[in-house]
Amino acid sequence: SQQGEEDPQALSIQEGENATMNCSYKTSINNLQWYRQNSGRGLVHLILIRSNEREKHSGRLRVTLDTSKKSSSLLITASRAADTASYFCATAPIQGAQKLVFGQGTRLTINP
Amino acid sequence: SAVISQKPSRDICQRGTSLTIQCQVDSQVTMMFWYRQQPGQSLTLIATANQGSEATYESGFVIDKFPISRPNLTFSTLTVSNMSPEDSSIYLCSVALTSGNWGEQFFGPGTRLTVL
Repeated sequence: SQQGEEDPQALSIQEGENATMNCSYKTSINNLQWYRQNSGRGLVHLILIRSNEREKHSGRLRVTLDTSKKSSSLLITASRAADTASYFCATAPIQGAQKLVFGQGTRLTINP
Repeated sequence: SAVISQKPSRDICQRGTSLTIQCQVDSQVTMMFWYRQQPGQSLTLIATANQGSEATYESGFVIDKFPISRPNLTFSTLTVSNMSPEDSSIYLCSVALTSGNWGEQFFGPGTRLTVL
């Protein structure tokens, strides 16, 4: 079952602006992973944050995790046209041997 | 990370037929999975492909419809049997490089299946 919910479902911003996407989940997790998907192709792994971590950075990406609120956010700074894609969060439950449960995704459009 | 390839990348099939999708990894991996992504939707786990034993299927997916093989630690196949238009989806394999549940999972490029 899908436990992740992402908002917004769609986001359109101007190039150079920052984009923030949120993910909420329902059960306790071991880790949370963010992925990017371009035009229905394969998923690109962006970042993994563990349940005992609160924030991680990778280049222009910043991910936060609040386990008390069961939520995570992905911030893309200084957005580029190439960032246009769908972004998914996926949670790995504490029990479940890496069975990722995906959110519904956010469709991000960067306007030049 | 791992380099994952899938064949075919896309196919158009007639209802009632079957299609076998291959997933090849460039290194030995412990865990391999198959996901389905229906049009405009998110990903849903079909099954865990177990090396040397039967796959472990998620609720709503059965072996007769989605038989899976995993003969070694670098290769797996998923067959979509007796297809109907509702099976039109992107099918993705993924791998986890560690046996624990705390590692990254990497995905193949997907197979886009259209059933007429």
